Amino acid sequence: NAGVTQTPKFQVLKTGQSMTLQCAQDMNHNSMYWYRQDPGMGLRLIYYSASEGTTDKGEVPNGYNVSRLNKREFSLRLESAAPSQTSVYFCASILGGGARDDEKLFFGSGTQLSVL
Amino acid sequence: AQSVTQLDSHVSVSEGTPVLLRCNYSSSYSPSLFWYVQHPNKGLQLLLKYTSAATLVKGINGFEAEFKKSETSFHLTKPSAHMSDAAEYFCVVRGDSWGKFQFGAGTQVVVTP
Repeated sequence: NAGVTQTPKFQVLKTGQSMTLQCAQDMNHNSMYWYRQDPGMGLRLIYYSASEGTTDKGEVPNGYNVSRLNKREFSLRLESAAPSQTSVYFCASILGGGARDDEKLFFGSGTQLSVL
Repeated sequence: AQSVTQLDSHVSVSEGTPVLLRCNYSSSYSPSLFWYVQHPNKGLQLLLKYTSAATLVKGINGFEAEFKKSETSFHLTKPSAHMSDAAEYFCVVRGDSWGKFQFGAGTQVVVTP
């Protein structure tokens, strides 16, 4: 059981380049999230998908787009990368669907992105 | 609306002494609260969670946290620190109905021999 799988683990981009971070979970979870982690700021929510077919903005959505491709996959796209997007990105999922008793967030291992 | 404040950005303790990490929260709803730990270059691991059952919550690795509604606090403690406890700790609140998790800024714990 792989849990939450993120690719790639590391990426270096030049300013203005685009890329897509991939995330997949095999736990039949309804809700999926993209966070970025910066020193001294904790994890900040970029976008989330409460269920298949829906996506919504989080705290810091500017410069990003997402796609909930199906129930398993939730991708994050940087259309024109900027140095301010240098960060560690985490994908996460929970069972969701109103099941508040099962609220454990499962995290991927992270993607370290540098934008030069 | 919900928010979470971790009152210390860094905590340094000696091995074998108690650890206290402080967290205050605000929430419009009855909150669920969590502590996560992140060891260097690792992902995040759930330590414990409070979801309106017992106010004293026991977690993994000897950690526990107490939910105090009157003080809007959810402080994390461990009686005796171990070198392996050196990590970053995040307090997390989930207050609204659909599942948005709000992370605190984190507390870096250093354990000295």
